[in-house]
Amino acid sequence: GENVEQHPSTLSVQEGDSAVIKCTYSDSASNYFPWYKQELGKGPQLIIDIRSNVGEKKDQRIAVTLNKTAKHFSLHITETQPEDSAVYFCAASRGGTDSWGKLQFGAGTQVVVTP
Amino acid sequence: DTAVSQTPKYLVTQMGNDKSIKCEQNLGHDTMYWYKQDSKKFLKIMFSYNNKELIINETVPNRFSPKSPDKAHLNLHINSLELGDSAVYFCASSLGQISTGELFFGEGSRLTVL
Repeated sequence: GENVEQHPSTLSVQEGDSAVIKCTYSDSASNYFPWYKQELGKGPQLIIDIRSNVGEKKDQRIAVTLNKTAKHFSLHITETQPEDSAVYFCAASRGGTDSWGKLQFGAGTQVVVTP
Repeated sequence: DTAVSQTPKYLVTQMGNDKSIKCEQNLGHDTMYWYKQDSKKFLKIMFSYNNKELIINETVPNRFSPKSPDKAHLNLHINSLELGDSAVYFCASSLGQISTGELFFGEGSRLTVL
């Protein structure tokens, strides 16, 4: 099955700096790669996603890149703010009827943005 | 209006007891899930239901029994609770398959087994 590795496990950044989280996946059939943000005491929430037919996607201060050949994808947060402090999860899914609903999550990255 | 709501938010119980967690979504989604998040924050799928039909059962002990009375509800019953069952359990829903859209999570139910 799919295995998703995520690094780093913790990331401390100064407010205004950029943060980068990297993930690798093992299943070359995976074609959907979402990123979720989990604030303290809340459930994870989708912040951005990318599909395998796209190499990069941007939404304001966050961007995701995908390298299908190397089987890795990354989340970039620019101009970090204290409200960006949370646990971020990458995930991968191959879709199709043989993996219905199977979203394999990475282990998470605790991001701390200090003012 | 809460999109995915689960109750209770906190549950403290003794080993060997039986407990249930309820989940309801008002998004009109046809697929619902239970995820377990352990103390290291690792998220792992347990069950997935589509239109009340079980789609995924991820090698979860049969002490865990999900029940979906209708598309909007997915409850989780746990028998003979063990210490290792302590975790945060998240209910989630989506419209169709994961790869076609967003997964909406509830706020979680923290289960502590003493």
